[in-house]
Formats: sequence, C-alpha cells, structure tokens
Amino acid sequence: GPKVLQIPSHQIIDMGQMVTLNCDPVSNHLYFYWYKQILGQQMEFLVNFYNGKVMEKSKLFKDQFSVERPDGSYFTLKIQPTALEDSAVYFCASSSLGGAEQFFGPGTRLTVL
Amino acid sequence: GNSVTQMQGQVTLSEEEFLFINCTYSTTGYPTLFWYVQYPGEGPQLLLKVTTANNKGSSRGFEATYDKGTTSFHLQKASVQESDSAVYYCVLGEWTGNTGKLIFGLGTTLQVQP
Repeated sequence: GPKVLQIPSHQIIDMGQMVTLNCDPVSNHLYFYWYKQILGQQMEFLVNFYNGKVMEKSKLFKDQFSVERPDGSYFTLKIQPTALEDSAVYFCASSSLGGAEQFFGPGTRLTVL
Repeated sequence: GNSVTQMQGQVTLSEEEFLFINCTYSTTGYPTLFWYVQYPGEGPQLLLKVTTANNKGSSRGFEATYDKGTTSFHLQKASVQESDSAVYYCVLGEWTGNTGKLIFGLGTTLQVQP
C-alpha cells in the first residue's frame, strides 16, 4: 500500500538545540499531519496542514514548533529550541482528502538530553 | 471534548481463541470511528472504519459495530492467529470544515501465543 517515510528514525539532541523532523508523504496526498506519542501515553494530534497553511493545531503545538512543506518536498516539523518534554515519538501522516484515511509513517524517536 | 477510552492495556490469548477489545467514545456529534493496528517498528495502519450508527465494519476477520446507544465500538475476532499480535487503537475522527484529526485511545497490546 501507500507508504509514508520519516527521516531520521532516531534523533538524540541536547536541550536547547534545534531539530527538524522530515516526512515524505504519499505522493498524491494533499493533507498532512503530525502526532506525538510519549512512551506509555496516548498518541496525540499536534497539527494539520493543507495548501501551505496550518489549518488546526493543538495545545501541544507550542510556539517553538513550526511546520512547512516547501515546493512539494518533505513535510517538516521543526522544534527550536527543544525542551526535555519534547522527547517522544513523532508520527507523520498524510491523506488524500480531509476526512479520508490517514496513512502513517513509522515515526521518529526524538530524545532530548 | 471528544474522547476515546480503551480500558484493556494488554490482552494475551492462544491461537484460535476469541478476541474482544473494549472501546467507548464520547462525542457531541456524529462520529466516524476507526480501528487502527500498529505492528512493531511501523506506524498505525487502518484496520476498519464505520461512519453510520449500527453499521458494522470488517476486515481480515476483525469486526466492530458502532453502537450509538451504548457509545461503544468494540473490536472482535472469532479466531486469532499469532500474526495478529500488535497494538490496536480505537480512534475517533473529528472533522472541522475540510480538515480533521484523529483522537486515539490508549491502545491495547494483543499478544497471541502459538
């Protein structure tokens, strides 16, 4: 089936540094999402993105977070600066329509020291 | 706000046993309900989806019926296989205009022993 790729699979950084998580969505999809899962806790919605704009974001999407997809390349989540509580697995997803099935990548495990 | 509750953190069965995973939801609208499954090292993938009350979704031997009266969407399978071992998420779709998000339950880890 359709595949979403995420790069890198693991990232370890020091608190206060910047990190960019990359997502290669399904090629003809128009809607993009980031979710966050802290170990042992629920997967939680961060943000969705369509037509070059953030459509909705949750309270977890702090001011230090930003997303973009320049010129149809990777859909990225940038955190600047990082904090200890940002340690989690971040899942990217994409869908062809707003209410359609979301296809998830395998996640990027971010560890902030 | 909308929410999903899965009370069972882990279920352990032997092959060919019956599977039942509990899920209840809370919403003010008319929900779209999903079950997603996650295998080790992968992201969640759609198992089945139901949009209309009292309708049943099914896939690969799994079934779930959307019961509006009890606000439940339990997952069942008559006979599990070792390959069904995975994490199962009950998920509520929440839509705003032409975009939306998924609200996940905590997940139930199914371990099937040979």
